[in-house]
Amino acid sequence: EIVLTQSPATLSLSPGERATLSCRASQSVSSYLAWYQQKPGQAPRLLIYDASNRATGIPARFSGSGSGTDFTLTISSLEPEDFAVYYCQQRSNWRVTFGGGTKVEIK
Amino acid sequence: EVQLVESGGGLVQPGGSLRLSCAASGFTFSSYEMNWVRQAPGKGLEWVSYISSSGSTIYYADSVKGRFTISRDNAKNSLYLQMNSLRAEDTAVYYCARAYYYDAFDIWGQGTMVTVSS
Repeated sequence: EIVLTQSPATLSLSPGERATLSCRASQSVSSYLAWYQQKPGQAPRLLIYDASNRATGIPARFSGSGSGTDFTLTISSLEPEDFAVYYCQQRSNWRVTFGGGTKVEIK
Repeated sequence: EVQLVESGGGLVQPGGSLRLSCAASGFTFSSYEMNWVRQAPGKGLEWVSYISSSGSTIYYADSVKGRFTISRDNAKNSLYLQMNSLRAEDTAVYYCARAYYYDAFDIWGQGTMVTVSS
């Protein structure tokens, strides 16, 4: 099973700042990596698929990069609605795994 | 509007059974692979099961293999999860999610809570 390790666990930033979230895979997942945002009491929302493609309706301040084992989600300038938990996720053959999540909180 | 709506959650005793349903609308359900994903209280996301668009290919997480059964009825635009021999560690919000490209889930339901407790 491919393990995804997200860092940091918590990121304390102010609105307007840049957020950089990391996701590292225990073995190569090529570019088959997605990112989600989840707010309390809500279902996850797809942000990025195939490592760098924004999903429909996702603002341009969200960007994804990386391939192989190291991936990054960048939020260029945090808006108040961006404070949430972010998960990375991969699919290798048929098995799907999620990272443990990064909480982006208001400093 | 593209939508998934889960139902069937509730409180069940350890060893009991429950059947979750997921009603799809606003898209051609029969064309999409579907999944169940769960989230224990205060914890992260855990993939549970996958079913191909035709229902011919099915996969399970090791944690539920042999106890849970995924199925679908394309004529009724519905996805199901039969859960048997439930354990306390199965307590979670269960989401149905539509597969998107190879690696992502683009549409999620609102979730249904399953609590396994005596």
